[in-house]
Amino acid sequence: AQSVTQLDSHVSVSEGTPVLLRCNYSSSYSPSLFWYVQHPNKGLQLLLKYTSAATLVKGINGFEAEFKKSETSFHLTKPSAHMSDAAEYFCVVTLSGGYQKVTFGTGTKLQVIP
Amino acid sequence: EPEVTQTPSHQVTQMGQEVILRCVPISNHLYFYWYRQILGQKVEFLVSFYNNEISEKSEIFDDQFSVERPDGSNFTLKIRSTKLEDSAMYFCASRPLGGTSDTQYFGPGTRLTVL
Repeated sequence: AQSVTQLDSHVSVSEGTPVLLRCNYSSSYSPSLFWYVQHPNKGLQLLLKYTSAATLVKGINGFEAEFKKSETSFHLTKPSAHMSDAAEYFCVVTLSGGYQKVTFGTGTKLQVIP
Repeated sequence: EPEVTQTPSHQVTQMGQEVILRCVPISNHLYFYWYRQILGQKVEFLVSFYNNEISEKSEIFDDQFSVERPDGSNFTLKIRSTKLEDSAMYFCASRPLGGTSDTQYFGPGTRLTVL
């Protein structure tokens, strides 16, 4: 069984300030973890993924996430928010191999204030 | 870069009507998935498909739903008799076979509105 919890449904930051979107997971086995972004009326775009290699993962658009097994966390960060980062972000967990159903978090809506 | 495509982008239908949502997965991918996202809610898994058969389905995926890969490129989701609560965004995803590539690539979605 696997689950993922996104601790904040909404996060609001000023442009140019750091972004932190929190995600905790639970999984019976070694998970693969992903962050996807969904802009309004758009599909899901992969930001980054962790698949048991380096624990600090760099993604697109300056985002990165750190896998911390001891804390069962995979928080998404960015040093400086841009207006174009305003979107909904989903943390996703899955098990490697097999048919690999993914489990989505409830999403965090990021608002960037000019 | 290859991508998953979905048609139509928006479908409006009357309650009780059948709808078919179409997806073209990335050409060398062998696993296929459907998800839905009701407005304001999280993305939910519906079904996975491999080797021309359903490999896993959720409790949402009842007898009103079916999937098919009618040819070498399309992957369809059919809802036999739509209900109001079927209104949602439906996402198709695909994944290549095995190895370390466990990333699912999502299409842009089809917004289904049932009136």
